[in-house]
Amino acid sequence: RKEVEQDPGPFNVPEGATVAFNCTYSNSASQSFFWYRQDCRKEPKLLMSVYSSGNEDGRFTAQLNRASQYISLLIRDSKLSDSATYLCVVNPATGKLIFGQGTTLQVKP
Amino acid sequence: DAGITQSPRYKITETGRQVTLMCHQTWSHSYMFWYRQDLGHGLRLIYYSAAADITDKGEVPDGYVVSRSKTENFPLTLESATRSQTSVYFCASRGTYEQYFGPGTRLTVT
Repeated sequence: RKEVEQDPGPFNVPEGATVAFNCTYSNSASQSFFWYRQDCRKEPKLLMSVYSSGNEDGRFTAQLNRASQYISLLIRDSKLSDSATYLCVVNPATGKLIFGQGTTLQVKP
Repeated sequence: DAGITQSPRYKITETGRQVTLMCHQTWSHSYMFWYRQDLGHGLRLIYYSAAADITDKGEVPDGYVVSRSKTENFPLTLESATRSQTSVYFCASRGTYEQYFGPGTRLTVT
């Protein structure tokens, strides 16, 4: 079983749609969680951290369920510029972050 | 400027040549990492370092060598480049919490 698993997609949605990505992780001792965004062949960039209480940043909402070892990212009112690959990232406190393979989002006009 | 930089940004080399990719960060982050990303695939960790003079292997270390004599620099050397090492290489650094990536080096081995 992979340490971090994501549905690779692609998710094809129209502009204005709401889309949700899910991610599961295997190490129950993991301490912190993140979503990164990667545009085609560019460096991954931090989108947001994920807190136990859930957190929101504009159109983006991240949630963490420690009991189920599950992380989610919700994007509301999708824009064309949201098209990218979204990486679920887990810190198992071993020094190295564990990156999922990514979920590809294509927002269509 | 503050941040993390990589050089060169693009490199074409021949099979068998030695190549060194440079990475420099200005945050004094303890941790530094090297990843490779092949077309259509995820990130794979090559090597990482927890501090100056401390390095450790990642998932795919074969054919690569690293050193970290100073906190801010973490060069990656391909001792004898092979075509299978054609990839985009990302360096990253992390302090206590968040990790930041450099812009990447696109390496082609012919």
